[in-house]
Amino acid sequence: GIQVEQSPPDLILQEGANSTLRCNFSDSVNNLQWFHQNPWGQLINLFYIPSGTKQNGRLSATTVATERYSLLYISSSQTTDSGVYFCAVGVGDYKLSFGAGTTVTVRA
Amino acid sequence: GAGVSQSPSNKVTEKGKDVELRCDPISGHTALYWYRQSLGQGLEFLIYFQGNSAPDKSGLPSDRFSAERTGGSVSTLTIQRTQQEDSAVYLCASSPGIGYTFGSGTRLTVV
Repeated sequence: GIQVEQSPPDLILQEGANSTLRCNFSDSVNNLQWFHQNPWGQLINLFYIPSGTKQNGRLSATTVATERYSLLYISSSQTTDSGVYFCAVGVGDYKLSFGAGTTVTVRA
Repeated sequence: GAGVSQSPSNKVTEKGKDVELRCDPISGHTALYWYRQSLGQGLEFLIYFQGNSAPDKSGLPSDRFSAERTGGSVSTLTIQRTQQEDSAVYLCASSPGIGYTFGSGTRLTVV
């Protein structure tokens, strides 16, 4: 199956800081999604981004499919950004393979 | 409904008992997925339903696990003769074609 590696595994930020999370994957994909799992366990879909760049408020993501990586940018971080960020990839919308996640802690 | 609904939210069961977990997907979503998340881990694929097609059961960890989806809507995941290693959060997601929407999960604890 497709291997997904996320880095860094843990990230501690001061409120207001910017950060970049990375997702590398081992094979060609046409489905890539970023999720945020909040401290209560709820998974929220942030982006569907198999290629290109998207922005949603303080979050943006870029996927370079030909080089098999994706980046998630968090700007002006807030304590509510804390949680685990997962990258998931697949072919079609079928059977996504999830990375191990990046745990982000934003301190006030 | 407005989102994916899972029940129960928490389940504690004795080793050896059977459990049923329920998922109500978003109306009109043709695809339904079950994943498992063990403590501090990523998500492990279990099973996938798409419309009336035969489900992909390739992620089910043993024959004690089974799932069905009735009428293309509600799905039930059944675990027979539960073991302590089955303890995890079981997550259901549905999709209209692109993008997943996850439910809040069922936290299963086998004691």
